[in-house]
Parts: sequence; structure tokens; C-alpha cells
Amino acid sequence: DIQMTQSPSSLSASVGDRVTITCQASQDINNYLNWYQQEPGKPPKLLIYDASNLETGVPSRFSGSGSGTDFTFTIGSLQPEDIATYYCQQYDDLPRTFGQGTKLEIK
Amino acid sequence: QVQLQESGPGLVKPSQTLSLTCTVSAGSFSSGSYSWNWIRQPAGKGLEWIGRIFTSGSSSYNPSLKSRVTISLDTSKNQFSLKMSSVTAADTAVYYCASALAGTTESFDFWGQGTLVTVSS
Repeated sequence: DIQMTQSPSSLSASVGDRVTITCQASQDINNYLNWYQQEPGKPPKLLIYDASNLETGVPSRFSGSGSGTDFTFTIGSLQPEDIATYYCQQYDDLPRTFGQGTKLEIK
Repeated sequence: QVQLQESGPGLVKPSQTLSLTCTVSAGSFSSGSYSWNWIRQPAGKGLEWIGRIFTSGSSSYNPSLKSRVTISLDTSKNQFSLKMSSVTAADTAVYYCASALAGTTESFDFWGQGTLVTVSS
């Protein structure tokens, strides 16, 4: 299985801060990586696909980059409604695997 | 817009079989462009992909669960189902069904709301 390692596992930041989450794959996955946001009690929501493409309707403060094994997810200016857990997910190979999640909190 | 809804028992006894169904909004299910997936999440933990099926009937499973899992579909009802045998407390989780548009890119773009399954006697 391809292991996806996210860091940090939790993060506290202030409104307006730039927030960065990293995701490392255990092998080259090209750009076959997605990012999801999960609010408590809700299913995950797709934010970024193919490492850097913004899903329709997702605010432009969210962005992604990377290729190969190292990926980055950024919130350009943190908003109160961004409080959630964020997951990366690879689709280069079966089984599909997710990172362990990054829980984002407001300071 | 694809809509999905999970249904099934919320309580299953240890060693028994967990059975869930996902009903998909009409018009989407017959498309061969989608895979239909099951994903689970234990309380306070991360996401685990269980497996998927295409409307062709082709299926794939997570090797960690493969010996206990079957995913099937009923195209006449716009449904796909999950059966997991010999469950234990470790199978207690929220179970989600999700669609993935297959092709050069793939992402879980639509999800059901999730259903909590508790394994307990």
C-alpha cells in the first residue's frame, strides 16, 4: 500500500494567517493526489484534485502544489469557517489511501 | 449532481455480517464513468477505503479487508451494497458511500452523509 504521511497532525492558527499542510507519499504518485476538508459530523468535501486544481466553487484562498512524493496544501488567509480536519488522498494505486489528517483550530 | 444515501442497521453483533446499501440519485448510476465506493471512519480517526465497484460489475477491495468484504450492485434500484462478514468491535465506524468519476483523474466527488455502525453484543 502507498503510505500517505501528513504533517502536522494538528495546527492552531489565527484568522488571516497563511496555513500550510504537507503530505508525503511513500512512493512516486505523480500528481495523483487530492485534498479534502471534513467538518465535524459531515462527510469529507473535495477541495483540490490532481494536486493543484481547485474544485468548482471552492474559494481561491485554498491551493495545492507538488508532484512525485511531496505535496503542499495552503490556505492563503485563514477564515473562521475553515476550522476542520484536512486529508490528502492518493489515487495512483489501489488501495486508495488517505493521510491521517490535520486538525486545524483557531487560536 | 450525484446524491447518495446510506441505509442499514446501526447495530451489528460481533461475528455477524454487516450489510449496508447506498442509494444513488437516478440518472447517475448507470454511467460507466463512475466507480461506487465504500469508505469508513472510526470515531476520531482517519478515513479507510474499503472498496469499489463499477456498473460493469468489476470490483476492487482493500487487501486488509478483502477476505471479509463483498460489494455488489443492483442497477434496477440504483443501489450498491456492502457486506462485511465476521465483524468485531474494530469495525465500529461511520460508513460512507462515495462516487468517483473515473478517467485520467479520479476523486471522491460526492459522498453520502454517512451511517454509524456499532458492533456490540
